[in-house]
Amino acid sequence: NAGVTQTPKFQVLKTGQSMTLQCAQDMNHNSMYWYRQDPGMGLRLIYYSASEGTTDKGEVPNGYNVSRLNKREFSLRLESAAPSQTSVYFCASTPSTGGYEQYFGPGTRLTVT
Amino acid sequence: GENVEQHPSTLSVQEGDSAVIKCTYSDSASNYFPWYKQELGKRPQLIIDIRSNVGEKKDQRIAVTLNKTAKHFSLHITETQPEDSAVYFCAASTNNNDMRFGAGTRLTVKP
Repeated sequence: NAGVTQTPKFQVLKTGQSMTLQCAQDMNHNSMYWYRQDPGMGLRLIYYSASEGTTDKGEVPNGYNVSRLNKREFSLRLESAAPSQTSVYFCASTPSTGGYEQYFGPGTRLTVT
Repeated sequence: GENVEQHPSTLSVQEGDSAVIKCTYSDSASNYFPWYKQELGKRPQLIIDIRSNVGEKKDQRIAVTLNKTAKHFSLHITETQPEDSAVYFCAASTNNNDMRFGAGTRLTVKP
């Protein structure tokens, strides 16, 4: 099992450009999440999907959109990138909602110039 | 929403000493408290977790304690080793998906 995979690993964008970060899991988990990690601020939840067909906002959703394409895949889209979105983005999954271990992907390091 | 504060932000100990990291949370409905370890350039990985119906949990050199009344929980690492050097994050969540993480503690274990 590959666990949680993310593409790309690195990306540089210019202000105003758009891109989609891809995430997939092969653990048959119901719930998937997108976090951003900035120095000194821990992990902040952007959006999550409790189950296939549902998505909800997290702590910092502004500037992002998500799509739960199927049970395996959950993508994060930046429509018009801004320098404030420079960060490391982690996707995670859990068997279900509530108190379960979050399995993280390897992360995507995004720089917006 | 939930607010999790973590202290200290950096911690340096001598190999073999103990390390303690403390977190407080604000939402009394929180009932799940995991701790994650993140090595440089790697993804966070769960090292131990505790639920609100338990006051303490231990796994070899790692232990977590929870005080629901005071709304704080702590990570204890005994007999620290250089490979324990990493950033540690606490988190708290309720039965929904709103898990909030602390800002992290950078632990350095000096040989």
